[in-house]
Amino acid sequence: DVKVTQSSRYLVKRTGEKVFLECVQDMDHENMFWYRQDPGLGLRLIYFSYDVKMKEKGDIPEGYSVSREKKERFSLILESASTNQTSMYLCASSLLGQAYNSPLHFGNGTRLTVT
Amino acid sequence: AQKITQTQPGMFVQEKEAVTLDCTYDTSDPSYGLFWYKQPSSGEMIFLIYQGSYDQQNATEGRYSLNFQKARKSANLVISASQLGDSAMYFCAMRESTGGFKTIFGAGTRLFVKA
Repeated sequence: DVKVTQSSRYLVKRTGEKVFLECVQDMDHENMFWYRQDPGLGLRLIYFSYDVKMKEKGDIPEGYSVSREKKERFSLILESASTNQTSMYLCASSLLGQAYNSPLHFGNGTRLTVT
Repeated sequence: AQKITQTQPGMFVQEKEAVTLDCTYDTSDPSYGLFWYKQPSSGEMIFLIYQGSYDQQNATEGRYSLNFQKARKSANLVISASQLGDSAMYFCAMRESTGGFKTIFGAGTRLFVKA
C-alpha cells in the first residue's frame, strides 16, 4: 500500500513566521502535489512536482514555495505566514505513467492555524 | 477551462438505501479521467473509483458505481446499500491528459447516513 506521510497533524504558527510542511511517500512515485482544502472550495492545487528539483505552480501559488531535493520528499514552505493561510494542507503523490488515470494517494493532512 | 461542479453541499440518506451524488464537469480535452474520493471525519482522502473518457462501460467498485454520461458531461457517484460508515465528504475530481498531471476538484458533498 502507498503511504504518504505528513510530518504534522496540527500546527499553530504566528503571523510572519516561516513555516515548513513536510511530506514523504514510500512508493517511488514521480509526481507529488500540495493542495489546500477550505470549506466550500474543495481542494485547490498550490504546487506540484513531477521529478526531483522540478516544480510547477498550481492554481494558488502566491505566498508559497516548495522544495523537492529527493524523490520521496516534497516540502511546502510558507515564506511569511499570514492568517489567510489558515487551512488544511494535503500532500499527495501519483505515478507518472498513464498520467490521467493514475489516482492520487493522500497523506492525512496538516491543519495549520496562523494567529 | 476545466471545471468540476458539485451542486449538493449536503445530502441525507437512510441506511441501506441507495444515494446518488451529482458531479458535472467541463473540459475541451477529449482525453481525461474522472475520480471520486471519500474524506471521512478523520481527514484522510480515500480514492474510490475511476472512469476514463473513452471507457464504454460505467465503472463499478463494490457498492460504488459511476453513472457516466459523456454527452451531458456528468459523472455521478452511486452508493448502493448505504452504511453508517459512508457518512463523509465526497469529492469529484478530473485530470486531463494535457493538464500537466494536475487534478482539479469540486467543492464536495457531505453525505449523512441515518440509522
